[in-house]
Amino acid sequence: EPEVTQTPSHQVTQMGQEVILRCVPISNHLYFYWYRQILGQKVEFLVSFYNNEISEKSEIFDDQFSVERPDGSNFTLKIRSTKLEDSAMYFCASSLLVSATDTQYFGPGTRLTVL
Amino acid sequence: ELKVEQNPLFLSMQEGKNYTIYCNYSTTSDRLYWYRQDPGKSLESLFVLLSNGAVKQEGRLMASLDTKARLSTLHITAAVHDLSATYFCAVDERGTASKLTFGTGTRLQVTL
Repeated sequence: EPEVTQTPSHQVTQMGQEVILRCVPISNHLYFYWYRQILGQKVEFLVSFYNNEISEKSEIFDDQFSVERPDGSNFTLKIRSTKLEDSAMYFCASSLLVSATDTQYFGPGTRLTVL
Repeated sequence: ELKVEQNPLFLSMQEGKNYTIYCNYSTTSDRLYWYRQDPGKSLESLFVLLSNGAVKQEGRLMASLDTKARLSTLHITAAVHDLSATYFCAVDERGTASKLTFGTGTRLQVTL
């Protein structure tokens, strides 16, 4: 069964450093998303992406964040200058969204630890 | 701003018992999802509920949606240990799946 994959599974970085989190969505999906989950808390929406542009973003997704689809398969989230509070699990998701029953499929996540 | 609340936040139940998790949301929406998350793992889609009165069942789990009451329920029948996980409801406010707003989560622990 097709699945969303993410790399790395765990990233440790120093405060102020740039990180890039990578995702490979399900191949025929058209919509891509990033969410994050701080330990023990609920899942929060960051950004959605369709047709090579951001379709929606949350207040969390400030100028420090950017997303890109550099080729036909990868979808990346870049954090320019990490802060301690960016430590969280980051989930990528994708969706086909051509029928009413389509759901968002989540990847396994990247645990980001900012020291 | 859409708010999605679940209760209870934590539920410890014995195997064989029944229980219901509630998901209340603050705005009109007719598209609601239930996800399961095991510790340290990703989110697994359980149900997509698309209209008022929708009911879906899979094994020991049954989900329903009442859009007028802005309420969804996840009913667990004759719980087994394998159902231990955190369950999230998520609301698609605009019905376009551009953004899911997740509930607070219910951590379910099924004991022998």
